[in-house]
Amino acid sequence: GIQVEQSPPDLILQEGANSTLRCNFSDSVNNLQWFHQNPWGQLINLFYIPSGTKQNGRLSATTVATERYSLLYISSSQTTDSGVYFCAVGSNYGGSQGNLIFGKGTKLSVKP
Amino acid sequence: NAGVTQTPKFRILKIGQSMTLQCAQDMNHNYMYWYRQDPGMGLKLIYYSVGAGITDKGEVPNGYNVSRSTTEDFPLRLELAAPSQTSVYFCASTPSAGGLVGELFFGEGSRLTVL
Repeated sequence: GIQVEQSPPDLILQEGANSTLRCNFSDSVNNLQWFHQNPWGQLINLFYIPSGTKQNGRLSATTVATERYSLLYISSSQTTDSGVYFCAVGSNYGGSQGNLIFGKGTKLSVKP
Repeated sequence: NAGVTQTPKFRILKIGQSMTLQCAQDMNHNYMYWYRQDPGMGLKLIYYSVGAGITDKGEVPNGYNVSRSTTEDFPLRLELAAPSQTSVYFCASTPSAGGLVGELFFGEGSRLTVL
């Protein structure tokens, strides 16, 4: 099956700093999503981005499907950005329709 | 808007007991999923369903069963609970169109402890 690797595993930032999180995947995908899990465990969908670039406020994401990676950018980080960021990928090929595989996540801590 | 609703939020089981985690969504999504998240880890897919009457195994299906009799409901059954099933369980749903899976929406999770 598809392998998903996220880096870095842990990241500590000072409030106001920028960061880039990376998601590499091992096979062709037509579904890629980024999630934020807050310290209370709630999972929030940030981006549905199988290809291209999207922006939502201080967050943006870029997926280069042909090179099998996606990047999540966080600018002017705030303490509320703390938590774990997950990348999930999926493919409709080979009978795996609907099967979304998660990476192990990047744990972000933003210090005031 | 309720979205994806999971019950119960917390449960303690004894080894060998059985229980059902309930999941319901009111968004008319045809795809539904059950994931488990162990401490400090990512999410692992247990089972998923692409529509009523259709279910398929994910990465870690052993010890679990599911059914999908309606579009709205996707219960997860734990038979003969074991300590290894101590985890947080998340239900999710997503729409699909033209064979492509859309944005995933999660419930708030169910924390299960097996002692």
